[in-house]
Amino acid sequence: SQQGEEDPQALSIQEGENATMNCSYKTSINNLQWYRQNSGRGLVHLILIRSNEREKHSGRLRVTLDTSKKSSSLLITASRAADTASYFCATDPKNSGYSTLTFGKGTMLLVSP
Amino acid sequence: DGGITQSPKYLFRKEGQNVTLSCEQNLNHDAMYWYRQDPGQGLRLIYYSQIVNDFQKGDIAEGYSVSREKKESFPLTVTSAQKNPTAFYLCASTTGNSPLHFGNGTRLTVT
Repeated sequence: SQQGEEDPQALSIQEGENATMNCSYKTSINNLQWYRQNSGRGLVHLILIRSNEREKHSGRLRVTLDTSKKSSSLLITASRAADTASYFCATDPKNSGYSTLTFGKGTMLLVSP
Repeated sequence: DGGITQSPKYLFRKEGQNVTLSCEQNLNHDAMYWYRQDPGQGLRLIYYSQIVNDFQKGDIAEGYSVSREKKESFPLTVTSAQKNPTAFYLCASTTGNSPLHFGNGTRLTVT
């Protein structure tokens, strides 16, 4: 079953602008992860935020987690054409074991030069 | 370089034929996973294996089979019982609670 839902489904911006994607989920989680997928390729892990963390940074990426609202956001600052990809959130539900990581449908990001 | 290799990248088959997708990893990861991705969709778990000679069904196991005879290898067979086999198939591995490491996928087209 798919728990995470990303919003928006698609996002088109110019190089240099910031891109924000959101993820909502339904049940309690151990952690939430963001992955990136270039067209026709596998997913690449970007960042993991644990349920007791509120914000995490990695380079130009900033992830926030609000467990009371069951939502997370991924911010990419100063976007580049190379950031064009689909971005997926994946939730690791509590007490279910890592094998039940569930993915949303993704946000397709297009960054134009 | 450590990684996951999926082969072939593209696979074409006639309806009614079984087909096996290869997944090999040299990361020494214990757990391996098979996902299916349809256009505009997220990933759905087909099968997973946390240890050699053991595997479990995921959310959409019907019409698929797997084996895990070696730690490095987790092949997926798409059988003729799978009603809509055309899809992008992704293999992943992990160890402990580390994030998933994915291969670059096999795009299967059945006509």
